[in-house]
Amino acid sequence: LAKTTQPISMDSYEGQEVNITCSHNNIATNDYITWYQQFPSQGPRFIIQGYKTKVTNEVASLFIPADRKSSTLSLPRVSLSDTAVYYCLVGFTGGGNKLTFGTGTQLKVEL
Amino acid sequence: DSGVTQTPKHLITATGQRVTLRCSPRSGDLSVYWYQQSLDQGLQFLIQYYNGEERAKGNILERFSAQQFPDLHSELNLSSLELGDSALYFCASSVVPEPYNEQFFGPGTRLTVL
Repeated sequence: LAKTTQPISMDSYEGQEVNITCSHNNIATNDYITWYQQFPSQGPRFIIQGYKTKVTNEVASLFIPADRKSSTLSLPRVSLSDTAVYYCLVGFTGGGNKLTFGTGTQLKVEL
Repeated sequence: DSGVTQTPKHLITATGQRVTLRCSPRSGDLSVYWYQQSLDQGLQFLIQYYNGEERAKGNILERFSAQQFPDLHSELNLSSLELGDSALYFCASSVVPEPYNEQFFGPGTRLTVL
């Protein structure tokens, strides 16, 4: 069962790139890595997922090194609306595996 | 709006009581997940169902149980409630059972145990 840790908080300014790292030293072979964004009083919202190397979509990039013991969510040119809590989710289901959310990173974006 | 509905929105009850939380997944989604979010434990995976069958079990207490019905809605039953069960309970759904696919989360049910 992967134990995942993240920085508690990060501050940034509008227009900057933000990188949030998740540490998952005990990641299993079948485990995937997914990132979610959560605003207050709302359910988490999917951002991106990956297994290894680099994945990019229209809102973010996900970097996963070869040993897969960590992953980094990269948000290009953040805006005020990106102020939220970001969670990594590691795991797989089926065959007795489980899912583990990271501790969450509060990102605050200022002007 | 994710398309996932949860009822009730808020629930206040007393210790020792039993409650049922309901979740309706997005149309076409066969997989349902339940999560608990609290200040001290963070977001925790409880259980997953796929097309009526239990697929994976996480940190779900024995006092808690869930099921997914033929119409694919799901219910989470919490019994012998304790103060520490106060939390936000989320349901999420996805088309396929593998959780690396996008899960769509409902708005949550806030449970307060007094």
